[in-house]
Amino acid sequence: GAVVSQHPSRVICKSGTSVKIECRSLDFQATTMFWYRQFPKQSLMLMATSNEGSKATYEQGVEKDKFLINHASLTLSTLTVTSAHPEDSSFYICSARPDRKRGSEKLFFGSGTQLSVL
Amino acid sequence: RKEVEQDPGPFNVPEGATVAFNCTYSNSASQSFFWYRQDCRKEPKLLMSVYSSGNEDGRFTAQLNRASQYISLLIRDSKLSDSATYLCVVNFGRNTGNQFYFGTGTSLTVIP
Repeated sequence: GAVVSQHPSRVICKSGTSVKIECRSLDFQATTMFWYRQFPKQSLMLMATSNEGSKATYEQGVEKDKFLINHASLTLSTLTVTSAHPEDSSFYICSARPDRKRGSEKLFFGSGTQLSVL
Repeated sequence: RKEVEQDPGPFNVPEGATVAFNCTYSNSASQSFFWYRQDCRKEPKLLMSVYSSGNEDGRFTAQLNRASQYISLLIRDSKLSDSATYLCVVNFGRNTGNQFYFGTGTSLTVIP
């Protein structure tokens, strides 16, 4: 089955540092990937839609200068949390939608990144 | 109205019980429907797609009612390992750029 790799799985960093999270589709191409944030006991919240070769589309209330998204290839999207603060501590998950016609209606998720900002 | 709505629960049921979750969606042109399972601090994993004719996978049965715009998930003979959050996901189709919308999830705890 389709696999999405997300790295790192856990990050602990000091306030003010930047953290980069990678999301790779291992066996399919994905023009579109999605980034979510999830706080404890809450649902997934879509942060942004990452589009290969163009700017990401951010959801209302998500600061694009705070959460930088780069989708430089058809298999890789990165999310950089700039100048992280304790309130940015959360579980970040990516997902990818295969480009091929069959399977493009499904989403495949990375394993998530637990970010803890001290 | 939210695009996809679920009863958040929690549902606490004894082992062996049958439990059902419903999910409503707002876009009548929606094309694809899914149930995902998410364990604590893990990524959602696809449990099953939901087809118009209804479909079954072992103890799990999913149904779609387009007229009333809801999907359901039935779990029979609940196991302790079924304890998780169940997410309803709907793809609203090409008119929305194939956007996926998530329900808030329904929490299930199966009690020994």
